[in-house]
Amino acid sequence: GQNIDQPTEMTATEGAIVQINCTYQTSGFNGLFWYQQHAGEAPTFLSYNVLDGLEEKGRFSSFLSRSKGYSYLLLKELQMKDSASYLCAVLNRDDKIIFGKGTRLHILP
Amino acid sequence: DVKVTQSSRYLVKRTGEKVFLECVQDMDHENMFWYRQDPGLGLRLIYFSYDVKMKEKGDIPEGYSVSREKKERFSLILESASTNQTSMYLCASSPYPTQGRTEAFFGQGTRLTVV
Repeated sequence: GQNIDQPTEMTATEGAIVQINCTYQTSGFNGLFWYQQHAGEAPTFLSYNVLDGLEEKGRFSSFLSRSKGYSYLLLKELQMKDSASYLCAVLNRDDKIIFGKGTRLHILP
Repeated sequence: DVKVTQSSRYLVKRTGEKVFLECVQDMDHENMFWYRQDPGLGLRLIYFSYDVKMKEKGDIPEGYSVSREKKERFSLILESASTNQTSMYLCASSPYPTQGRTEAFFGQGTRLTVV
């Protein structure tokens, strides 16, 4: 079977750092995505990791450990506009993109 | 600017009706996807197409069919709509991974209500 787990909800303070974890067990692995989705809108692409290690892109970084089936998304210098759902997704060996249920992130002023 | 366009933003249909949800992409992508998104359940894959006339079932294909007659268009069909198919439907497209870019681009979604 396929399983992608991430916390349902998280809360953090404006200006702080937050780490959203994702663990996965899928039929093959060809990479892991993170998407951001604001309420009522379509998901938008944040990052893609296929090799182990950290990928940094501005305030957002994504980490992957294939041997542990684990990834995290790190958001720095949080802003109110970062309040959204963050979706972890795996590209499996059949080219299908399978999503976790998403983590709703609340930012407090 | 990349574009995935879904034919309707909001749709209300009656139980038993045949419903067509259309999706068009202008990026010449091979892969196209249909998902539904429900509170607490996340995005669930209904069907996937990796080429014209080629399709594969996702995790929840029951009650749905798809059509891909042209590369740019992927249609989702509800043969006989039921109230448990009330949901947000999202279409996405992506290139083959070997092309170096793999991310899926999403349409704006269709909120379907079956009454």
